Amino acid sequence: GENVEQHPSTLSVQEGDSAVIKCTYSDSASNYFPWYKQELGKRPQLIIDIRSNVGEKKDQRIAVTLNKTAKHFSLHITETQPEDSAVYFCAEAGGTSYGKLTFGQGTILTVHP
Amino acid sequence: DAGITQSPRHKVTETGTPVTLRCHQTENHRYMYWYRQDPGHGLRLIHYSYGVKDTDKGEVSDGYSVSRSKTEDFLLTLESATSSQTSVYFCAISEPMLAGGYNEQFFGPGTRLTVL
Repeated sequence: GENVEQHPSTLSVQEGDSAVIKCTYSDSASNYFPWYKQELGKRPQLIIDIRSNVGEKKDQRIAVTLNKTAKHFSLHITETQPEDSAVYFCAEAGGTSYGKLTFGQGTILTVHP
Repeated sequence: DAGITQSPRHKVTETGTPVTLRCHQTENHRYMYWYRQDPGHGLRLIHYSYGVKDTDKGEVSDGYSVSRSKTEDFLLTLESATSSQTSVYFCAISEPMLAGGYNEQFFGPGTRLTVL
């Protein structure tokens, strides 16, 4: 079945630094790659997504890059702020999968003021 | 937040008892999903539905069953709860894009289930 590996499992940065989280996937049919942010005790919420016909997408301080050949995608957060502290999950879905998502294991991001 | 509610929000039960969790949406989205979240595993798909009365198994479906008799409700049943089913359960919804592909999945607030 599909498999998504996410690294690192924890990431600690100083406010203003950049943070990068990487994911690899195994299914060559995967074509949708969302990133979710989950604050403590809350539901996961989509922060950005990318589809397989695009190599990069940016939304203010957040960007995602996709390398389909190497089967990996990454989340980049610039100018980190304490409110960016949360658990981040990558995920993927394939072309005929009814939108089913396979998630990575999650990255706990801590931004120190 | 999208119009998704889950009930109950918290439940403590004993091993061997049946448990039913409810997901209710007001968005009229076609697809609905049940995930469980455990430390170190992210979210794992239990079952999903692609229409009324249309359901299928996910990655971790053993010990769980689902039903969807109307668009807005998706029920998850633990036939005989075990301690390994202690977890946080999230429901999610999405609507397929007309041209193919997927729209965002919206998650419910979650149900924390403890099986003693």
